[in-house]
Amino acid sequence: QVQLQESGPGLVKPSETLSLTCTVSGSSISSSYWSWIRQPPGKGLEWIGYIYYSGSTSYNPSLKSRVTISVDTSKSQFSLKLSSVTAADTAVYYCARDSAILDAFDFWGQGTMVTVSS
Amino acid sequence: QSALTQPASVSGSPGQSITISCTGTSSDVGGYKYVSWYQQHPGKDPKLMIYDVSNRPSGVSNRFSGSKSGNTASLTISGLQAEDEADYYCSSYTSTSTRVFGGGTKLTVL
Repeated sequence: QVQLQESGPGLVKPSETLSLTCTVSGSSISSSYWSWIRQPPGKGLEWIGYIYYSGSTSYNPSLKSRVTISVDTSKSQFSLKLSSVTAADTAVYYCARDSAILDAFDFWGQGTMVTVSS
Repeated sequence: QSALTQPASVSGSPGQSITISCTGTSSDVGGYKYVSWYQQHPGKDPKLMIYDVSNRPSGVSNRFSGSKSGNTASLTISGLQAEDEADYYCSSYTSTSTRVFGGGTKLTVL
């Protein structure tokens, strides 16, 4: 069974960089695309971006200037960095497998709440 | 990119059928078969219900079905059950190789 687990600080100060890591088990990280998705409290889902194991990426245009997604295949991990955060970046952050076979997000992490506050 | 348009809420009684729409453009929903639907219960991570417009993953009830016409995709739930009460989101691939979600629809089972 594919499992994803997000990890990282739950509190980030305004203007600093949010950093999260997703650890993948039960699936080769070289088999799919891997996405980050967030959900502000009480609001809908927002796709942040994806990475392929080769390192190719695609980002949400509205976040592109602040987002970097990277992959470490040796650790079966991929990571998110979001710079210059504000309170508007407060959200539950999910990592998900972006299946190239189903063309959909078929496995999700449980999500991690990140609050931006001083 | 703009979020896909979904109704904020829909409701139905047990046993009835409901349909949730998801409207985009020819650059996303209308241009590709890569439309998916997700169910999210409060405090839980989303669950894939439909992929490639109308396909169900293994384990998803056949009461859930999907379709598409032009720039609008639809999710239909037949034989509504109390456990279907949740938020539902559509998602699509886009012409710029990105992904986009709908704003979400809250389903209430009366």
